[in-house]
Amino acid sequence: EPEVTQTPSHQVTQMGQEVILRCVPISNHLYFYWYRQILGQKVEFLVSFYNNEISEKSEIFDDQFSVERPDGSNFTLKIRSTKLEDSAMYFCASIDPGQASDEQFFGPGTRLTVL
Amino acid sequence: RKEVEQDPGPFNVPEGATVAFNCTYSNSASQSFFWYRQDCRKEPKLLMSVYSSGNEDGRFTAQLNRASQYISLLIRDSKLSDSATYLCVVNSPGGSYIPTFGRGTSLIVHP
Repeated sequence: EPEVTQTPSHQVTQMGQEVILRCVPISNHLYFYWYRQILGQKVEFLVSFYNNEISEKSEIFDDQFSVERPDGSNFTLKIRSTKLEDSAMYFCASIDPGQASDEQFFGPGTRLTVL
Repeated sequence: RKEVEQDPGPFNVPEGATVAFNCTYSNSASQSFFWYRQDCRKEPKLLMSVYSSGNEDGRFTAQLNRASQYISLLIRDSKLSDSATYLCVVNSPGGSYIPTFGRGTSLIVHP
């Protein structure tokens, strides 16, 4: 069964450093998402991506964040200068809008720890 | 502000019990609704979509009340393996597929 994959599973970085989180969505899906979940809190939408551009973004997704789909398979989230409060689980997800339901398929997540 | 509200619990029930969760949403134009299950430190996984007519999948029954803007999930004959957090998810209208997550309801099933 096809699945969304994410790398790395855990990333530890120093405050102020840049990190890139990588995702490979399911190949025939067209909508891609990044979410974050701070420990003990709810899943929060960051950004959606369709047709090679951002379609929606939340207030959290400020100038420190960017997304890219560089090669038609990978979908990356870059945080330019990490802050302590960026420590969270980051989930990638994708949707096949041709399905009857809007089920989101989530990757296993990357745990980001900012020291 | 568009919100999805859930009772965080935890709901602590014995095996075999029936338990019900509710979720309310504020955007009356929302079009699609889901229950996801999330195990500790894992990704959310779809449990079931929620339709106006109500739907059932084995021990799980989901219902939608558009007039009152709430969604429910009923779990019958609880198993130990049902212990998890149950997330209510509501999609915004208009085809932009932007889901709003509730904070989740924690269920603990004990022997």
